Amino acid sequence: DAGITQSPRHKVTETGTPVTLRCHQTENHRYMYWYRQDPGHGLRLIHYSYGVKDTDKGEVSDGYSVSRSKTEDFLLTLESATSSQTSVYFCAISKQGADTEAFFGQGTRLTVV
Amino acid sequence: QKEVEQDPGPLSVPEGAIVSLNCTYSNSAFQYFMWYRQYSRKGPELLMYTYSSGNKEDGRFTAQVDKSSKYISLFIRDSQPSDSATYLCAMSAGAQKLVFGQGTRLTINP
Repeated sequence: DAGITQSPRHKVTETGTPVTLRCHQTENHRYMYWYRQDPGHGLRLIHYSYGVKDTDKGEVSDGYSVSRSKTEDFLLTLESATSSQTSVYFCAISKQGADTEAFFGQGTRLTVV
Repeated sequence: QKEVEQDPGPLSVPEGAIVSLNCTYSNSAFQYFMWYRQYSRKGPELLMYTYSSGNKEDGRFTAQVDKSSKYISLFIRDSQPSDSATYLCAMSAGAQKLVFGQGTRLTINP
C-alpha cells in the first residue's frame, strides 16, 4: 500500500464549527489532492497541490481551504462546516500529476449535524 | 452536462460472465484514460491505464479507448465474485486535474 495516512478516519461535528482533515504521505510525491465522494456524483476534486505552498482550486472548492507547508502533509479545512459538507473525503497523491497513477488514502467519513 | 458520464448501475451478473463497463466524455483534450476499482469503504486503486486511443490488456481485463467517439470501455472476462466493486473511469488532459466518472457498482453472483 502507498504510504498515505488520513486522519481522523471518522468525525462527527456540529454545523458552524471549523474542521481540519490531515493527509500525510511517506512517498515524497509532488502532487497531493483532496476529493469528496458523494452518491450520484462520484469523486470530485476540492483542491490540489503541486508543491510546498503551491495549491489550486478544484471543481468544488467553495467552503474549503488547504495548506501544504511540508511535502508530506496536506491539510483540508472546512472553515464553518455545513450539512452539505457531509461526505467521504479522500486524499490522493501522484508522482508527476494527473497523467500518472494516483494513490488514494482510506478516506475520512465526515458527518455534519 | 458533466465532462465524464458513467452509468452508476447497479450491474449484477453471474460468475463467469463477460462484463462491459463504459464511459463517455465531452472534452476532446483528454489523453490519459484510467480505470479505478473501489471496494466498499476503501480508497480507489488503479486498475488500468491507457494513453490516447487503442486497447490494453492485462489478464482478464481489457481497456479500450475510442477518441473519435469519446468513449472508453473496460471489459472483464471470466468474472469472479472478488471483482464485485465500484469501477470508476477517470481521465485527464495533462498534469493538473483528473476527472472521474460517477462510478458503476458491479456485483458478481456465485
